[in-house]
Formats: sequence, structure tokens, C-alpha cells
Amino acid sequence: QKEVEQDPGPLSVPEGAIVSLNCTYSNSAFQYFMWYRQYSRKGPELLMYTYSSGNKEDGRFTAQVDKSSKYISLFIRDSQPSDSATYLCAMMDSNYQLIWGAGTKLIIKP
Amino acid sequence: NAGVMQNPRHLVRRRGQEARLRCSPMKGHSHVYWYRQLPEEGLKFMVYLQKENIIDESGMPKERFSAEFPKEGPSILRIQQVVRGDSAAYFCASSPSTGGTEAFFGQGTRLTVV
Repeated sequence: QKEVEQDPGPLSVPEGAIVSLNCTYSNSAFQYFMWYRQYSRKGPELLMYTYSSGNKEDGRFTAQVDKSSKYISLFIRDSQPSDSATYLCAMMDSNYQLIWGAGTKLIIKP
Repeated sequence: NAGVMQNPRHLVRRRGQEARLRCSPMKGHSHVYWYRQLPEEGLKFMVYLQKENIIDESGMPKERFSAEFPKEGPSILRIQQVVRGDSAAYFCASSPSTGGTEAFFGQGTRLTVV
């Protein structure tokens, strides 16, 4: 079993829809949880990071962490075609290393 | 302030040759991380370096792979005697402090072994 599980998709939704992206994990010691966006043939870029459980909002993006369920989510409101990309979750272990999900490919249809 | 610079962007090597990948961190960043990404997979940690020191190389294959981050100049990831399975995208990230929560990634080097 991988430490971080993420459905690779692709996830295809119409423009304007609310998108929900999720990761599950097995290591209860993870403290920091990140979401990165990666466009094709580009490096990942940090979207948001959260510490411990709770919600964090930034514009159209909301990151949610539920440590009791070992489950994190990224919600995108009013999705745009420019949001089409691969979204990777990452979590930090006690050695300050990032453990990555495989990424979910998101397609927003105009 | 230029971002993390990686070169070359694309590298083709024949089996048995050496590949050298370069990463110049962002100005003021002294921590460098190397990752490998296979198609349709997430990033796999390889090595974490600070200037002149390897902090964590637990993700590096034991043979043929080495990394350095000298006092002057870019960080280098070196792969000796490349094999087809080394074909992947190699990303470097830099951060100003331990932990990588503020890590910024380069555009990657796509290595193809023929």
C-alpha cells in the first residue's frame, strides 16, 4: 500500500462546476499537507498548504484536512478551462521530506 | 528574481553514456531537492542537499547516481552508464529553509535514453 493514495483520473467536468480532488494517507505523523498544480511539461507549482486539520481558503480554492480520517481535499469553485492540469497532493514526514500522490488529471470542458 | 533554472530541458543519451543535469536554485535559497517523475506517476524524492552537504540521499539508487551542490555553481545530478529505465523527468526544487514547505520547482529535465 502506498503512503499516499490519489486517484489518477482523468476527472472531466464542465466549466463552472465545483471540483473536488482528494487524497488519502496512511501515516498519522504527517503534519503539513500541500496541493501542487502541474501543467503539462512544466514543474509543479505550490497552490496551498495547510498545517494539521481544518480548512483553508484562497480565492476559488479551498483545502480541507481531516486527520481523523486521514483524508485531504482540494475544492475548486467556478472551475475554468485554465484550471485544467494535474493536481498533486504532498505531505511532509518527520524528516521534512515530501511524500507525493500520483496526481489527478483534471479537465475542465468549456 | 529568476526562478529555479534547470538545464538542459531535454537530454538524449545512449545506453552506457553519462547524463549530467544542472539545477541553479533561486537567489537566496540554499536547499536543493531532486525528484524523479515517471509518466503518469507522482514525484519520487531522490536527494536533499545544502551547500557542500548531502543531507538525505535515501531516495537515490545505490549505484550510478550521485549528486552534489558545491559552494559555487549549480547543483549537479549525475547518472553514470544510463539505462532505458532512467528515462524520466527530473525536477529540482529549492527552498530558503529546511522543510520544503516553500519549495519552488524548476521546469525539469526530460532525459531520454535510447
